[in-house]
Amino acid sequence: ILNVEQSPQSLHVQEGDSTNFTCSFPSSNFYALHWYRWETAKSPEALFVMTLNGDEKKKGRISATLNTKEGYSYLYIKGSQPEDSATYLCAFIAGYSTLTFGKGTMLLVSP
Amino acid sequence: SAVISQKPSRDICQRGTSLTIQCQVDSQVTMMFWYRQQPGQSLTLIATANQGSEATYESGFVIDKFPISRPNLTFSTLTVSNMSPEDSSIYLCSVGRGLPTDTQYFGPGTRLTVL
Repeated sequence: ILNVEQSPQSLHVQEGDSTNFTCSFPSSNFYALHWYRWETAKSPEALFVMTLNGDEKKKGRISATLNTKEGYSYLYIKGSQPEDSATYLCAFIAGYSTLTFGKGTMLLVSP
Repeated sequence: SAVISQKPSRDICQRGTSLTIQCQVDSQVTMMFWYRQQPGQSLTLIATANQGSEATYESGFVIDKFPISRPNLTFSTLTVSNMSPEDSSIYLCSVGRGLPTDTQYFGPGTRLTVL
């Protein structure tokens, strides 16, 4: 059974703060790591798919890094805005298995 | 990308009844997936539905409890049978090519409460 851990479970920041979350996954048999953003009552939205150790991806104010050797990925949000409030999910794939999701980090950004 | 709709968006059901959730995609897709998220838990894959073949269920999920239909390349249904309060979850359908590096696209989910 694959175990994907996300921390913190929830986070409350002020508008303008920068923040980061962690996703930990098994370092063996790594194939890909996905990040999704899920706003309440909406569809989860894909942010990044990461495959290479040392990968760094960026989308606007959001960026992510990947360390496959030690089994973790960081998601960073620079200058958080209220519209960034959502649950951020990571999902790990080993070989040709299916996505295994973490429980998510719930972010609340107050104006 | 793909735009996915689900019906119903939410429902409250009585124990022992069944609910069928519909998933419609705006383009033809090979693989459709059904997930559920129980309160406080991870999004968990129930089954993979391919058109023209039986759905493939993940460990812990069985066809009698979660029958799936996939009549064509744009539509699928998931039935939650003989419901109990433990079935209270958000159910999502998703589409993708099934490749590890491909993005999966999700529907908005069906929020089910079983009393």
